[in-house]
Amino acid sequence: AQTVTQSQPEMSVQEAETVTLSCTYDTSESDYYLFWYKQPPSRQMILVIRQEAYKQQNATENRFSVNFQKAAKSFSLKISDSQLGDAAMYFCAYRSESDDKIIFGKGTRLHILP
Amino acid sequence: NAGVTQTPKFQVLKTGQSMTLQCAQDMNHEYMSWYRQDPGMGLRLIHYSVGAGITDQGEVPNGYNVSRSTTEDFPLRLLSAAPSQTSVYFCASSYGVTGHMNTEAFFGQGTRLTVV
Repeated sequence: AQTVTQSQPEMSVQEAETVTLSCTYDTSESDYYLFWYKQPPSRQMILVIRQEAYKQQNATENRFSVNFQKAAKSFSLKISDSQLGDAAMYFCAYRSESDDKIIFGKGTRLHILP
Repeated sequence: NAGVTQTPKFQVLKTGQSMTLQCAQDMNHEYMSWYRQDPGMGLRLIHYSVGAGITDQGEVPNGYNVSRSTTEDFPLRLLSAAPSQTSVYFCASSYGVTGHMNTEAFFGQGTRLTVV
């Protein structure tokens, strides 16, 4: 069975600095999808970025980018120029190509220090 | 655009009571799922469905039942509520991975359930 591991329960970063959130996963599949979701205090789940495993190029969305290392099964999220509104819980997620289901890591709570 | 609609937003149950959490989506998504979120545990998959008439168990299915009679609806039933089922529940939907570019899940607003 696939698993997703986020080893950092909490992180803090100074406003305007850069922070990297770690995510590793375990799978025997070659085709799959990876996501980062943000959950602010409102409890809403917001998609930050997605990566298809067949794409070698790392995905970027404005200040958010990923470092996807397929061989190492690693999928880290980099947030540049951190803003107060980035404070939230961040979840890494894996979607199986074979059975469609989506599984999540335990999350990393990110604090932004003014 | 309604997206994924979950009801109710809050619920308090007594131990042993039954209830159904409703979930509906209007995006014609094949895939629907239920998660529970507990502190320090992330989102854990309860049940999921890849189409009408098809359901499967996730990692924490005990105490919960689901059915998928239509593409739009995916209710979650608690047959006999227990305090261990106190949690925040999320419904999510998405296109299936086959033949689609957008494979991310869209979430409802969540239901905070307390069992006393």
